[in-house]
Amino acid sequence: QKEVEQDPGPLSVPEGAIVSLNCTYSNSAFQYFMWYRQYSRKGPELLMYTYSSGNKEDGRFTAQVDKSSKYISLFIRDSQPSDSATYLCAMRDDKIIFGKGTRLHILP
Amino acid sequence: EPEVTQTPSHQVTQMGQEVILRCVPISNHLYFYWYRQILGQKVEFLVSFYNNEISEKSEIFDDQFSVERPDGSNFTLKIRSTKLEDSAMYFCASTRGQGAANYGYTFGSGTRLTVV
Repeated sequence: QKEVEQDPGPLSVPEGAIVSLNCTYSNSAFQYFMWYRQYSRKGPELLMYTYSSGNKEDGRFTAQVDKSSKYISLFIRDSQPSDSATYLCAMRDDKIIFGKGTRLHILP
Repeated sequence: EPEVTQTPSHQVTQMGQEVILRCVPISNHLYFYWYRQILGQKVEFLVSFYNNEISEKSEIFDDQFSVERPDGSNFTLKIRSTKLEDSAMYFCASTRGQGAANYGYTFGSGTRLTVV
């Protein structure tokens, strides 16, 4: 079983819609959970983080972690065309492990 | 905002040649990393570096790879004899610490390595 599983997409949604992205993982030692955004041919950019289980909100973005189910989510409200990118879930024990990334297209 | 700087942005090299990828981490950061991303695949951990030595390395980081912090600002990845399968984006990252307040790494924009 792979350590971090993420549907690669692509996921296309109309502008203004709520986007839901998620990952599952197998290593119960992970304590820190992150979402990175990556534009084409650029490095990953940290968007959100959470420590252990719970929710965190930052503007239009909400990150959720359910450690009992080993499941993390990122919600984007009022999606914009500029949100079009690849979104990588990531988890950390002593190093960051990434999911494969979900390509998101927001259609104007 | 402080940045991690990587040079060159694109390197083309012949198979069997040595390449050195360069990174300038954020100045007050103490932990340094190299990751790579083969086209269409996930970002993979290569190596972590702290206090002038390797902390951890992945199976990918074999004897062909080495890292060095030759001075107080640069952090380099050397591939001694490149293979076609080394073609990838290589990302350098740094972080100040490993505690809860330093959970995320700052990544550079990457070096695209093409081995021909």
